[in-house]
Amino acid sequence: SQLAEENSWALSVHEGESVTVNCSYKTSITALQWYRQKSGKGPAQLILIRSNEREKRNGRLRATLDTSSQSSSLSITATRCEDTAVYFCAPNSNNRIFFGDGTQLVVKP
Amino acid sequence: GGIITQTPKFLIGQEGQKLTLKCQQNFNHDTMYWYRQDSGKGLRLIYYSITENDLQKGDLSEGYDASREKKSSFSLTVTSAQKNEMAVFLCASSSWTGGDERLFFGHGTKLSVL
Repeated sequence: SQLAEENSWALSVHEGESVTVNCSYKTSITALQWYRQKSGKGPAQLILIRSNEREKRNGRLRATLDTSSQSSSLSITATRCEDTAVYFCAPNSNNRIFFGDGTQLVVKP
Repeated sequence: GGIITQTPKFLIGQEGQKLTLKCQQNFNHDTMYWYRQDSGKGLRLIYYSITENDLQKGDLSEGYDASREKKSSFSLTVTSAQKNEMAVFLCASSSWTGGDERLFFGHGTKLSVL
């Protein structure tokens, strides 16, 4: 079974709205990262939150981490069409980084 | 900044063929990874290497070999291509120093087996 799993297969919002992607994981971690992958490209890191942190912000992005429930969320405010991509959570454990199947986010004009 | 270069971009093989994918990075990172991504799915770790000449198996190593002869390069071999196999192979590197655990990815090699 997978060690990381996003809770939604796909999400759709209109430009300007906020959206949250949720993730659960099944391993002890030192940190958790969120990546975004656009069509035809490799994933790119958005944000890293360490196991002793509860929240991290980066511009329009906000990540939360709850190590007791082994879950994380990524919120995007004021979405733009260019935020359309697949979003992955990626827990870090012992030099290994695990990926879920991702959530496809579509931002419509 | 640096770059990860994967060659070739597209690879078409025959069933049973041995196929090699190459990856070069100029970040001077110690750790390099090979992931496999099937259509609509996440990334599964095949092999990783924490330094030159080191190899560590991931969750999907069966059917693959890897080689890290230089710090800057990491190659992956499909030992016997499976008929109708289709996937994207992504190479990544990371420094893991100074608290920077980001993976930097190449654009991928798309494999199709006839």
